[in-house]
Amino acid sequence: AQTVTQSQPEMSVQEAETVTLSCTYDTSESDYYLFWYKQPPSRQMILVIRQEAYKQQNATENRFSVNFQKAAKSFSLKISDSQLGDAAMYFCAYNWNYGGATNKLIFGTGTLLAVQP
Amino acid sequence: NAGVTQTPKFQVLKTGQSMTLQCAQDMNHEYMSWYRQDPGMGLRLIHYSVGAGITDQGEVPNGYNVSRSTTEDFPLRLLSAAPSQTSVYFCASSYRGAGNEKLFFGSGTQLSVL
Repeated sequence: AQTVTQSQPEMSVQEAETVTLSCTYDTSESDYYLFWYKQPPSRQMILVIRQEAYKQQNATENRFSVNFQKAAKSFSLKISDSQLGDAAMYFCAYNWNYGGATNKLIFGTGTLLAVQP
Repeated sequence: NAGVTQTPKFQVLKTGQSMTLQCAQDMNHEYMSWYRQDPGMGLRLIHYSVGAGITDQGEVPNGYNVSRSTTEDFPLRLLSAAPSQTSVYFCASSYRGAGNEKLFFGSGTQLSVL
C-alpha cells in the first residue's frame, strides 16, 4: 500500500528566511503525482504545488519549489523569503495514476510551520 | 463563484443521533469526495463519486453513507453517530477525477460526538 510520511510535526522559520519541509513516500508504481497542500488557521485547504513523477524538472510556483528525488522517493518543499502568511499546516499528498478517475489522495500527517517576525 | 460549499460549519451530536453533512459545488465537477481530518493522521478518504448515481468507498467508509443524485450535491450521512466520528470533515471536488487534477476543498465541518 502507498504511504506518505512527514517526519517533521513542527517547524519554525524567521520571516524572509528559507525553510524546507520534508516528505517521503512509498510506492511500487512509476506513474503518479505528488502535491503540497497548505491549511492555514482558516482551515481552508489550498494547493501549493504539484509534481508529475514522469517529469524530471522540479516544479516551482513563485516562492515555492520542490526537490523531487524519484529514486529516493523524496519530495521536499522549499519556501523562500518566508512571509507571515505562510504560517500554516502543510500536507504532502500522493496520487497514483492508473488512467481512470483516481483523484484519491493519500495524505501525510502534516507539518505545522510557524513564521517568526 | 462559490466553489465548494459545506454546511454546517460546526455540529455537536449525541451518540446514536443521525445527521447529514451537506456539500454542494457550482463548478460542474464530475468528481466529488469526502475526507475526514484527525490530529496526527492527516486526511483520510471516506467515500467518493465519479458522477451522478455512482459512488464508491474510500479508506474509512464504515459508519457513513453517501448518495449522488445530482452533479452538484454529495451529502454525507452519519446513521448512528459514535464518539470515534468526532473529526473535521472536508468535501472536495475536481473536474473529472484525474490523478493530476487540483482538488477544490470546502471549508470543513467540525463535528463533535458526545
